[in-house]
Amino acid sequence: ILNVEQSPQSLHVQEGDSTNFTCSFPSSNFYALHWYRWETAKSPEALFVMTLNGDEKKKGRISATLNTKEGYSYLYIKGSQPEDSATYLCALTMDSNYQLIWGAGTKLIIKP
Amino acid sequence: DSGVTQTPKHLITATGQRVTLRCSPRSGDLSVYWYQQSLDQGLQFLIQYYNGEERAKGNILERFSAQQFPDLHSELNLSSLELGDSALYFCASSPTGGETQYFGPGTRLLVL
Repeated sequence: ILNVEQSPQSLHVQEGDSTNFTCSFPSSNFYALHWYRWETAKSPEALFVMTLNGDEKKKGRISATLNTKEGYSYLYIKGSQPEDSATYLCALTMDSNYQLIWGAGTKLIIKP
Repeated sequence: DSGVTQTPKHLITATGQRVTLRCSPRSGDLSVYWYQQSLDQGLQFLIQYYNGEERAKGNILERFSAQQFPDLHSELNLSSLELGDSALYFCASSPTGGETQYFGPGTRLLVL
């Protein structure tokens, strides 16, 4: 059974601090790794998609890295702000025509 | 705005009833996905359609069914509704499959 694991399950961070969390996945037959942000009362919104080992993507204060050989991706948030509070989901594609396999998410709460 | 539309936004019904949720994908997207989010749960993948054909099935109950029409819009039919079916139902679309998915605003279903 394919499993995408995210840790930690939830995280409380002081405003202004930087933070990171992990997505782990089986490294065989990897095609793409996706990160989504899901704010309360909204729908999930795509942040990044990465396909190559060593890929790094950045959007403002948020960045992500990918290691397909060892099967993990990190999401980093620099200088957390209250608007960063959300659940961050990662999802794996094993094949270009296959559906995404979703992790359970990391719930990030920024304390003012 | 992701370009994915869902109707209705809210639906209140009684146990034992049947409802239909509708989704229109982004222009040009051939794949449609249905997800369920129950209270305090993550995203549960239900089913995927690609260009009118069922492509993948997740944790979809036998009381639920879906279809994708020639104009690519999709409907999710929920029958013999139970209290536990109360949830937020998301539709997402992507060009083919495995790429970034774009989520609609969701339909909130309340079964009384």
